[in-house]
Amino acid sequence: ELKVEQNPLFLSMQEGKNYTIYCNYSTTSDRLYWYRQDPGKSLESLFVLLSNGAVKQEGRLMASLDTKARLSTLHITAAVHDLSATYFCAVDISYSGAGSYQLTFGKGTKLSVIP
Amino acid sequence: ETGVTQTPRHLVMGMTNKKSLKCEQHLGHNAMYWYKQSAKKPLELMFVYNFKEQTENNSVPSRFSPECPNSSHLFLHLHTLQPEDSALYLCASSQAQGTAGTQYFGPGTRLLVL
Repeated sequence: ELKVEQNPLFLSMQEGKNYTIYCNYSTTSDRLYWYRQDPGKSLESLFVLLSNGAVKQEGRLMASLDTKARLSTLHITAAVHDLSATYFCAVDISYSGAGSYQLTFGKGTKLSVIP
Repeated sequence: ETGVTQTPRHLVMGMTNKKSLKCEQHLGHNAMYWYKQSAKKPLELMFVYNFKEQTENNSVPSRFSPECPNSSHLFLHLHTLQPEDSALYLCASSQAQGTAGTQYFGPGTRLLVL
């Protein structure tokens, strides 16, 4: 059974600081996703990482994937209040080849950025 | 309408009621999914449909019954639910090519079972 673990689950940080969220998974996969969820809202896709060593950046967020270590990181640079949300990583190990995927999600990291 | 839409957005039902959740995707995707998000558990995949055919049922109780009449519409029929079924139900869709399998989520239906 695939397990996806995120840490920390709760993160309170000051504006302007840097921090990293970690996502470990238990089974070989080369397809990892990061999503953001604002309170009361749905999930918004942030990044798709498709190979070992993949790095994607968007604004103050940068995601990376190490498939050998089964680890992905989401790095936050110079945090701002607008980044406050819950961040999920999700791993896919069962692409059917015909266009459907099965994602296993981590529990999420609730980030609060304090002015 | 754009993206993935879900109706209703909020639903309160008794344990003896029958109701249905509706999802529609306007993205031309071939796969659709139902997820359950509750406070105490990670997001759980319930059902997967690919080109209208159900490909996965992740040990979901029979009181949840999915229906996919075409690639754009997905329903979740609910009957004799339990209070522990109260949760946010999310629909998603994806396409094999071009988007690396990214799943696009609807706004969800928040369900309360009394």
